Formats: sequence, C-alpha cells, structure tokens
Amino acid sequence: GAGVSQSPSNKVTEKGKDVELRCDPISGHTALYWYRQRLGQGLEFLIYFQGNSAPDKSGLPSDRFSAERTGESVSTLTIQRTQQEDSAVYLCASSLGGVASDTQYFGPGTRLTVL
Amino acid sequence: QKEVEQNSGPLSVPEGAIASLNCTYSDRGSQSFFWYRQYSGKSPELIMSIYSNGDKEDGRFTAQLNKASQYVSLLIRDSQPSDSATYLCAVRQGGSEKLVFGKGMKLTVNP
Repeated sequence: GAGVSQSPSNKVTEKGKDVELRCDPISGHTALYWYRQRLGQGLEFLIYFQGNSAPDKSGLPSDRFSAERTGESVSTLTIQRTQQEDSAVYLCASSLGGVASDTQYFGPGTRLTVL
Repeated sequence: QKEVEQNSGPLSVPEGAIASLNCTYSDRGSQSFFWYRQYSGKSPELIMSIYSNGDKEDGRFTAQLNKASQYVSLLIRDSQPSDSATYLCAVRQGGSEKLVFGKGMKLTVNP
C-alpha cells in the first residue's frame, strides 16, 4: 500500500504479558517514529529511527519498552510485562528524513488495552 | 522543560465563522511548526506547516508564526462541520528530528 500500515489494529492483553506491535513505513522513507497517545492526550514521542544511525530512544518510558527496525523497513515495538498504564493508542509515522521541512505521515495506530 | 502548549478547549463555533487555534512553545531554537488534524478514532494528518515568521495561507487555512513571541496559530475561515476534529500543534526543536506535540484542541463546528 501507499501509506504507513500498522498491525494489529487492536490488541487486548492481560497485565504481565508481552506484546509486539508492528509498523510498515512508506517505501523509501528513511525515518520512522513511534508515539503513544493516551485517551484525550497529545502524542508522546517514544523512539526515532533514521537510516542506519543509532536510534533516539530518549522517549521510551521504561526498560520494558524496546523497538527494533530492520534497515529502512519494518519496525517492531515490544512492551514487556505490560501494565494497565500502558493502555493507549500506539502510532507509527514515517518520513523521508533529514530535512527541517520533513513531513511525518502517520499509520492508523494500534489500540492496546491491558486488562 | 521543552514544551508545546495549547489551550485545552473545547472550542465551539457556528458554521461559517472563523476558528482560531493557538499554540506556544518554549524552545527558542525551534525551526519547524506543524498543525495536524485528528478526527475521533483516526490518526493525525498534516494540514499546515510553517517555517518563517508571518502568515501562510492554504485555502481556508492560515498558519501564523511569531518566533519572537514563540507563538503559532491556525485560523480556519468559513468553518464547516467537517472541520470538527482535534487540532494538534507540533514543533520540531532545533537540532532534533523529533516532533513535540501539544495536547490538542477539540474544535466543534455547529451547523
């Protein structure tokens, strides 16, 4: 497809379980971002990948959160030992990367519910 | 603390009116400014970007930037019910690729 895709669209899990969220960026986009959006809140930056550079992990809220990206393609966000406060929509965005005028294009998000 | 602040709203305007959305930011080194629209249950979509002081117009939308006052706004002329959404201000700070988002302002345009 032409846009950013994410899977699953919805995920319900039990507290303490691990979850993996997937993002497929727009082809040719070297930059990929993960955000978290809690209900009624703005977007909270989690992590940023740019090409083969070391990712900017400064937004990850705890060591339970990690993310990987293979080259300039798919990224996976993993949350270990989920907690109820992890419930949110997780949004992925991609962009061409490297310029101030860069536009981020968002995927549809994964709604995570931790029971 | 680097922040982007938006009035929490909500903002309600009648159809055909001008809706004015405001945003302030704390990092003077910020270079790029964006307005995203987010319909309920959907992901954000970019509607305006602005990089220089002054006004930038695109159809019914005008973005205004004042770097001295660290202020960016979005005006929507001839508001339509389809403009009803949450509007997110985002700022790319100097030397960073990250966007910092405000909490958003919910706009309702009443027919």
